[in-house]
Amino acid sequence: DQQVKQNSPSLSVQEGRISILNCDYTNSMFDYFLWYKKYPAEGPTFLISISSIKDKNEDGRFTVFLNKSAKHLSLHIVPSQPGDSAVYFCAASGGSNYQLIWGAGTKLIIKP
Amino acid sequence: ETGVTQTPRHLVMGMTNKKSLKCEQHLGHNAMYWYKQSAKKPLELMFVYNFKEQTENNSVPSRFSPECPNSSHLFLHLHTLQPEDSALYLCASSQGTSLHYEQYFGPGTRLTVT
Repeated sequence: DQQVKQNSPSLSVQEGRISILNCDYTNSMFDYFLWYKKYPAEGPTFLISISSIKDKNEDGRFTVFLNKSAKHLSLHIVPSQPGDSAVYFCAASGGSNYQLIWGAGTKLIIKP
Repeated sequence: ETGVTQTPRHLVMGMTNKKSLKCEQHLGHNAMYWYKQSAKKPLELMFVYNFKEQTENNSVPSRFSPECPNSSHLFLHLHTLQPEDSALYLCASSQGTSLHYEQYFGPGTRLTVT
């Protein structure tokens, strides 16, 4: 049973608009969350993280929001650019999970 | 270029073959990882090495045998694999095994078992 779920396999967004990628988790002990981005034929690269003591973390065009009561986090990209087209993975850790637990990824397509 | 290289990039092998995947990191990191990514599924951690010592083995079948001769090199030896082992195998490294250290990934080896 997946502890980290990315329910949208793909998302298409117009260039310049906001992209919102969602991630849900089931383990209330998770206290650290990360987003990675993956281009074809490359490995995932770290994008942004958030600790459970915060509900928002921002880095340039990328903002991650954490809603602990809903066990939900989201990644906002504003404005979306063609280079943002990639697969985005959500990952979580904490409690007895001393390793990263990954979601299956969401493929983001930015339309020009 | 993340500083983590993997060879080969693609591998096709029969179920009776023996092959090895190689990973090398040029980042001075102490921890190295093997992950498996099957189509449309989450990354699955297979093995973790810290300072050349194996610290995690996530119930991986013995037909996968890791080797870490030093902190810069990691191998995954494969023998008598099954078709369901076909997947993308990713190597990663990090400064340490704390999950607050960013993991740097190689491009992966696309393995097909026939």
